[in-house]
Amino acid sequence: SAVISQKPSRDICQRGTSLTIQCQVDSQVTMMFWYRQQPGQSLTLIATANQGSEATYESGFVIDKFPISRPNLTFSTLTVSNMSPEDSSIYLCSVEQGETQYFGPGTRLLVL
Amino acid sequence: AQSVTQLDSQVPVFEEAPVELRCNYSSSVSVYLFWYVQYPNQGLQLLLKYLSGSTLVKGINGFEAEFNKSQTSFHLRKPSVHISDTAEYFCAVGKKGTYKYIFGTGTRLKVLA
Repeated sequence: SAVISQKPSRDICQRGTSLTIQCQVDSQVTMMFWYRQQPGQSLTLIATANQGSEATYESGFVIDKFPISRPNLTFSTLTVSNMSPEDSSIYLCSVEQGETQYFGPGTRLLVL
Repeated sequence: AQSVTQLDSQVPVFEEAPVELRCNYSSSVSVYLFWYVQYPNQGLQLLLKYLSGSTLVKGINGFEAEFNKSQTSFHLRKPSVHISDTAEYFCAVGKKGTYKYIFGTGTRLKVLA
């Protein structure tokens, strides 16, 4: 299975600022996904990122708030823009291999 | 539309006892089924998956699950748990032919000494 890393692993940010989260995979993958896991909650899909095309956002998530880049088959970024305390969550990237999703370690974000 | 129900939000169990974590899903089409484990302050790790074939699936760390199509269930079992199994367990359903997963709300397994 793919080995996935994320940077940063955690951060504390001030409201109104933005944070860019990086996701690196050790092999080329077509589909990458970004999820949010709010405190004590399950995972919610934010968007799907395919290389060479615009990200596809789920209901309730918009590009202005969560811009995503996918410059190549092993890398993606998610930016959380104009943050508020409600954005405090774990953000996870995942990739699909063999009809299975594998997850990165997550980025723990606290917005003050 | 698909949905996943994990009825038990918390399951306390003594060390070396058996455990079953329940997962039921609803879907009108063929599905893939998954169990993931999340240890404190970590990401999700795949425990096991059902894509096709044998309905009894064995995973890592001694866990297994059985796909029951008639009852639309995919319960996770372990015959003897360890303290190190303390974690959050998520059941997920994926619709065949798509990439989207629906996750359950999770079950917190707490193994007691």
